Amino acid sequence: QAGLTQPPSVSRGLRQTATLTCTGDSNNVGNQGAAWLQQHQGHPPKLLSYRNNNRPSGISEKLSASRSGNTASLTITGLQPEDEADYYCSAWDSSLSAWVFGGGTKLTVL
Amino acid sequence: EVQLVESGGGLIQPGGSLRLSCAASGFTVSSTYMYWVRQAPGKGLEWVSVIYSGGSTYYADSVKGRFTISRDNSKNTLYLQMNSLRAEDTAVYYCARADFDYWGQGTLVTVSS
Repeated sequence: QAGLTQPPSVSRGLRQTATLTCTGDSNNVGNQGAAWLQQHQGHPPKLLSYRNNNRPSGISEKLSASRSGNTASLTITGLQPEDEADYYCSAWDSSLSAWVFGGGTKLTVL
Repeated sequence: EVQLVESGGGLIQPGGSLRLSCAASGFTVSSTYMYWVRQAPGKGLEWVSVIYSGGSTYYADSVKGRFTISRDNSKNTLYLQMNSLRAEDTAVYYCARADFDYWGQGTLVTVSS
């Protein structure tokens, strides 16, 4: 099953802004959007944004999600060391009748 | 408080079977949809299966015909029956609630002789 496409790594400086992307097609991201998850080493993933771009309760406003066509984006402002983690996107693929994940982006805060 | 606790992982020989459990609290498993997601060592997340509130189930191609997702409403528990296990099934298996909003801590399955 084809997955979503994410850049393997992104590096930004402390207090800068990072925008992570997730590209799919009209059957997945373009259809119902993508959820965003954060995973720190050795821990389970944590939901950062629902497929409708809303943040769950307790998630910082410095994170914002959006979608343009078949590409979803997650923007993180004011980067801090604790933002260094792996970030995954996920969507339901209506043509595959399957959930798909991106390969993940490792965010490094310099 | 929503909580998911997986169990049942371990070391199993190729071709063997295991049943994973995911005990839920703070919500009713049958009222929502639930996933199994796995992560091989050093790799990314891979969706395995989903069961919807109406009972519909879907599987990743890599496990179709070998794995079965189910739930016990009386125990508020989700299961994953894994048969004909292969080395490539080695991973931490997580259960997660609808839209991935809550995750368990995961249980490690190692398939090796």
